Amino acid sequence: EVQLVESGEDLVKPGGSLRLSCAASGSTASGSIFIDSWMNWVRQAPGKGLEWVGLIKNKKDGGTTDYAAPVKGRFTISRDDSQNTLYLQMNSLKTEDTAVYYCITDWFYTLRDWGQGILVTVSS
Amino acid sequence: DIVMTQTPLSSPVTLGQPASISCRSSQSLVHSDGNTYLSWLQQRPGQPPRLLIYKISNRFSGVPDRFSGSGAGTDFTLKISRAEAEDVGVYYCMQGTQFPYTFGQGTKLEIK
Repeated sequence: EVQLVESGEDLVKPGGSLRLSCAASGSTASGSIFIDSWMNWVRQAPGKGLEWVGLIKNKKDGGTTDYAAPVKGRFTISRDDSQNTLYLQMNSLKTEDTAVYYCITDWFYTLRDWGQGILVTVSS
Repeated sequence: DIVMTQTPLSSPVTLGQPASISCRSSQSLVHSDGNTYLSWLQQRPGQPPRLLIYKISNRFSGVPDRFSGSGAGTDFTLKISRAEAEDVGVYYCMQGTQFPYTFGQGTKLEIK
């Protein structure tokens, strides 16, 4: 099991930028679970349902990314395996990006270990 | 994108009685590898979601056996055999067969 802790919570003006971080801990006898994990970001607007934001694969699988249409071209997911940390760079923020953002491990194309989430508020 | 539709959106249930939630996808969730990546998540009030069921019917670690999943193709069901107070919350189905991953709207389970 991986423990995930998000950080970077903030209030940002429309058009602004913000970077979220997600620190992972947890290992097996063979090493860090994070290094072998695909990682996702999912968000939840206040009082609403879940919306997938995007994913980054592990280095072994190419480290490639995929994004939901509403954030493509504005958000970038990256990872630093040496620090067991996942990032979400958010640019050109809109009021509709206001949400709790969760980082989650991907396991057989499902969402296994969830962080507690972090609130991002985009407002003038 | 694959659209996931849950019914009902709200489900009042009596303690100790069964509950059932349906989820339908706009296209088959059978992956090219032969697996069907349909999962169920539970979100208790004030908590992040947690994984209950993966690949249609596999209970995740620590999930009570009163939860079960079934279905195939485009139609899936989550059943709770005997509802307990701790089951209150919102339940989501989710498909991971195709990017983007998509979720149902959520079904709110309440105790009558």
